[in-house]
Amino acid sequence: DVKVTQSSRYLVKRTGEKVFLECVQDMDHENMFWYRQDPGLGLRLIYFSYDVKMKEKGDIPEGYSVSREKKERFSLILESASTNQTSMYLCASSGQGIYEQYFGPGTRLTVT
Amino acid sequence: GQNIDQPTEMTATEGAIVQINCTYQTSGFNGLFWYQQHAGEAPTFLSYNVLDGLEEKGRFSSFLSRSKGYSYLLLKELQMKDSASYLCAVRDISGNNRLAFGKGNQVVVIP
Repeated sequence: DVKVTQSSRYLVKRTGEKVFLECVQDMDHENMFWYRQDPGLGLRLIYFSYDVKMKEKGDIPEGYSVSREKKERFSLILESASTNQTSMYLCASSGQGIYEQYFGPGTRLTVT
Repeated sequence: GQNIDQPTEMTATEGAIVQINCTYQTSGFNGLFWYQQHAGEAPTFLSYNVLDGLEEKGRFSSFLSRSKGYSYLLLKELQMKDSASYLCAVRDISGNNRLAFGKGNQVVVIP
């Protein structure tokens, strides 16, 4: 079974803090994704990566950056957290030619 | 880009059949996915359609009409555990494996 894990289920941070959200997958997938999910807005793509050290902006990249130094790990970074970044963050991965995305359990981030 | 539309909520009785619709607009359609998401949990994959027609998988079936930009997910013999949000997602050929998700349809199953 594909397993996608995220570093925390719940996280509380203060405005202005730098926040790291980690995602690890164990299926040697090339593609990894970061989404945020908000009530009434659905899943929105922040960034994705189709290979190590490669990254592409999604629909809402502002205020975020990412890092993919190893194939299995994709990190989302909030350089200076703001209250409007309070959300559920979901990581996903998929293989080449395999379009189904497998999701991690999510991190509920609250910025106060 | 894509424009994906789903109704927001529906209620159905245990044992019944429910149909969840999804319409989309995209310039380079390359597949449509349905995911199930229980409250507080991650989405899980249900079905994938890339050609027109019906795909059946147990109690769940998914239909696609590419010419109409339309899909539906059919849930038969509803069970209480089917209470969840159902997400439609479209893959675009220019999108490098990224998916565009609809906002989801909340299905509430009542006894």
